[in-house]
Amino acid sequence: EDKVVQSPLSLVVHEGDTVTLNCSYEVTNFRSLLWYKQEKKAPTFLFMLTSSGIEKKSGRLSSILDKKELFSILNITATQTGDSAVYLCAGETNAGNMLTFGGGTRLMVKP
Amino acid sequence: DTGVSQDPRHKITKRGQNVTFRCDPISEHNRLYWYRQTLGQGPEFLTYFQNEAQLEKSRLLSDRFSAERPKGSFSTLEIQRTEQGDSAMYLCASSLGWGRTGELFFGEGSRLTVL
Repeated sequence: EDKVVQSPLSLVVHEGDTVTLNCSYEVTNFRSLLWYKQEKKAPTFLFMLTSSGIEKKSGRLSSILDKKELFSILNITATQTGDSAVYLCAGETNAGNMLTFGGGTRLMVKP
Repeated sequence: DTGVSQDPRHKITKRGQNVTFRCDPISEHNRLYWYRQTLGQGPEFLTYFQNEAQLEKSRLLSDRFSAERPKGSFSTLEIQRTEQGDSAMYLCASSLGWGRTGELFFGEGSRLTVL
């Protein structure tokens, strides 16, 4: 059965800190690794990673995939209170029909 | 608003009752997904449609759960004879269905509370 594990479960930092969120996956016929941000209700898409070693970047957020070690990280630099959310990692199968989500990392950024 | 919309946003019901949730996807998206999320967990895949065809339903939690997308537009998720363990957030998502199939656009969910 496919499995995605995220760590840490939760994290409290102060504004301006840099954080690294971890995601390990075991997904049969792996296609892509995705990161989502969930603030209150609906998860919103952040990144899709399909190739190892290529960093995706969007503002202060960046992510990279290691397909050999079955691992991805999400970095957030110069954190702001608006970054407070649950960050979800998900693995997609080659069939492209479903995502297996991890349990999420709850990030709280204090002023 | 052209995002994914779900209705109702919150449903409280008594054990044994049937409930139905509706999802209206983004209009040009041909894939529609249902996920369930319980407190402190990530979303759990239930089923998905490509247009009106339900292509994966083995992950529906029991035969009390069923979903339809009769005309390839909106979808409904029905839970019959609800149990307290069905209490959760039911999320609908849609995607374009090619290329970036993992990029899902989620609705705000329908929260079910079974008393």
